[in-house]
Amino acid sequence: GQQVMQIPQYQHVQEGEDFTTYCNSSTTLSNIQWYKQRPGGHPVFLIQLVKSGEVKKQKRLTFQFGEAKKNSSLHITATQTTDVGTYFCAGPNTGNQFYFGTGTSLTVIP
Amino acid sequence: ETGVTQTPRHLVMGMTNKKSLKCEQHLGHNAMYWYKQSAKKPLELMFVYSLEERVENNSVPSRFSPECPNSSHLFLHLHTLQPEDSALYLCASSQGGRNYEQYFGPGTRLTVT
Repeated sequence: GQQVMQIPQYQHVQEGEDFTTYCNSSTTLSNIQWYKQRPGGHPVFLIQLVKSGEVKKQKRLTFQFGEAKKNSSLHITATQTTDVGTYFCAGPNTGNQFYFGTGTSLTVIP
Repeated sequence: ETGVTQTPRHLVMGMTNKKSLKCEQHLGHNAMYWYKQSAKKPLELMFVYSLEERVENNSVPSRFSPECPNSSHLFLHLHTLQPEDSALYLCASSQGGRNYEQYFGPGTRLTVT
C-alpha cells in the first residue's frame, strides 16, 4: 500500500547546526505539503509545493520537491531552539488519497 | 490560534461508554477532516467531509461514527471503543479539499480504559 516515509525518525542537533529531513513516497504525489508540530501541539501548515523540481524558501527553511514528485526535503539552516518539533510531509497521490509522512522529530540542544 | 476548536480537550471513557467529540471551524472552509494520531504512528486520515457530504472513509471501524451537520461543525461519535483506540484525535479544515493547506484544531486526547 501507499507509504510516505521520512528519515531520519529523530535528529538531535546543536543550536546553529543545519538540519535536513527527507520525505519519500512509494507513489507519485500531486503536491507536497509540510507541517510542523510542536511538542504537545497540533500540526501547523508550513508550505505547499506543486511543481516537479520546485524549490521554495522561508527564511532559514528550504523546501524541495523532487523531479519525479515522489520525494521532498526540508532543510533548516542554523537551527534555533524555536525549531524544535516534529516535521511532517503530506500529500495526495494521483488517486486523491491523502497521506502524512512518518515524521522527523527535531531536538535542538542550546 | 482559534480558527479550529475542539472539545473536549481530554476525555477518559470506559469501553461501554458513548461519547462525542466536537469540532468547529471559524474559517469559512468547505472541507473538514478527522485524523487519529497514535504514538509512533503516522497521522491517519479517518474521514473527510466536503460540502457536508462524507467523501472518504478510510476503513475505520464502525464504533467511530462521524457527523457533519453543516460546513462549520463536525462530530465524531464514539461507542464501545477499545483500549487501542486511545490516541489524539485531530480535526482539520481546508478550503477546496485536501490539495490545499489544512488547519488543525488542538485535538482531543482520548483514553479508553
